[in-house]
Amino acid sequence: EAGVAQSPRYKIIEKRQSVAFWCNPISGHATLYWYQQILGQGPKLLIQFQNNGVVDDSQLPKDRFSAERLKGVDSTLKIQPAKLEDSAVYLCASSLGHTGLPYEQYFGPGTRLTVT
Amino acid sequence: QKEVEQDPGPLSVPEGAIVSLNCTYSNSAFQYFMWYRQYSRKGPELLMYTYSSGNKEDGRFTAQVDKSSKYISLFIRDSQPSDSATYLCAMSRGGYQKVTFGTGTKLQVIP
Repeated sequence: EAGVAQSPRYKIIEKRQSVAFWCNPISGHATLYWYQQILGQGPKLLIQFQNNGVVDDSQLPKDRFSAERLKGVDSTLKIQPAKLEDSAVYLCASSLGHTGLPYEQYFGPGTRLTVT
Repeated sequence: QKEVEQDPGPLSVPEGAIVSLNCTYSNSAFQYFMWYRQYSRKGPELLMYTYSSGNKEDGRFTAQVDKSSKYISLFIRDSQPSDSATYLCAMSRGGYQKVTFGTGTKLQVIP
């Protein structure tokens, strides 16, 4: 079974530029999560999708971050404009959703973002 | 006060030692308790989960939850160099509520 795919793996941008990350979850997984993991910290949930609907985006900085999950499969997370404090690893995870254990999340390798 | 507190370490132990990793939490509504392992430059992977209080054993790993003290532990017996990683505790109220992670404890098992 293929895992969660993410691209790019690394990205370096200057502040005020924009950036987009892509995630392809495990086939059949209804729930998709985006997390931000700052160095030395645990992952922080940014947004959770159930199919293509948003379940929780309470910690998403909506003035600069946006995410979509068209057709309930792939997802894109965008930052515009980026700030220095956005430097982090952005992790995508997926889970089966209603047919499985909600906490059994499978994580991708992450995208390491550096904002200079 | 953070909802979940975890000592960041690092924790260094000799191979074969018993390792104890711990987290405390403040939200009494948490019902599901998880431990994830994260190798360097990789995403976290679920090790074990426990519902409510009690113990759960899986091979060399034992998870304990004490809801009365709001304290959870992960024990690793006969630790191996391959266990060297960051261990993240995580908790949820259940259903499809979000999962809250601790900061992670970095473990190094020295051969």
